[in-house]
Amino acid sequence: QSALTQPASVSGSPGQSITISCTGTTSDVGGYHYVSWYQHHPGKVPKLMIYDVTNRPSGVSNRFSGSKSGNTASLTISGLQAEDEADYYCSSFTSSGTFFVFGTGTKVTVL
Amino acid sequence: EVQLVQSGAEVKKPGESLRISCKGSGYTFSDYWITWVRQTPGKGLEWMGRINPSDSYSEYSPSFQGHVTISADKSISTVYLQWSSLKASDTAMYYCVRRGYCSRGRCYNWFDYWGQGTLVTVSS
Repeated sequence: QSALTQPASVSGSPGQSITISCTGTTSDVGGYHYVSWYQHHPGKVPKLMIYDVTNRPSGVSNRFSGSKSGNTASLTISGLQAEDEADYYCSSFTSSGTFFVFGTGTKVTVL
Repeated sequence: EVQLVQSGAEVKKPGESLRISCKGSGYTFSDYWITWVRQTPGKGLEWMGRINPSDSYSEYSPSFQGHVTISADKSISTVYLQWSSLKASDTAMYYCVRRGYCSRGRCYNWFDYWGQGTLVTVSS
């Protein structure tokens, strides 16, 4: 089972919007509504940002939104803030024997 | 407050055994499955396996089946990940995470709480 493909890095200026893609196959991203996104500040505990493609957990800013089209899911951060600078990972349920697969990770830099 | 607290960093030699732990608090421990996730610079995040603490039923990724064992002691709200014979390639950060399962017709296929991670270093 290969990891989901994410861009290695994405950057933007404060206040801008950025989008991180997460590309899989029909066995994972494209086949199920079970994509989630995680924010990881180095040295801290990863945080769930989006689940079931579009849902935000309580307490997560509405500047974060998720979507999916075909085999590609996306995380959009609007009104980019310095605190958004972190690593972001997607995850999907998969019909392969591994149950879940993660993305390769994207480093978001706020210019 | 929901917390998953993992045991501390370990340095081991190839061939040695190891058990690391993950203790849950702030919620009904038996009600939520726990998953172990491995993170390495080369392969990123990998789903290793999961356990239902209520009955200790476990499932494994084929990549880890037979090399690790996941167990639970619900009386002390703790899940374990253990190796009987470590390899250098087991050097990684290991996270325990909550959820990632389906139950009673509803699926919770996301990981809402993460432990702080346990760094395992295997070197001769």
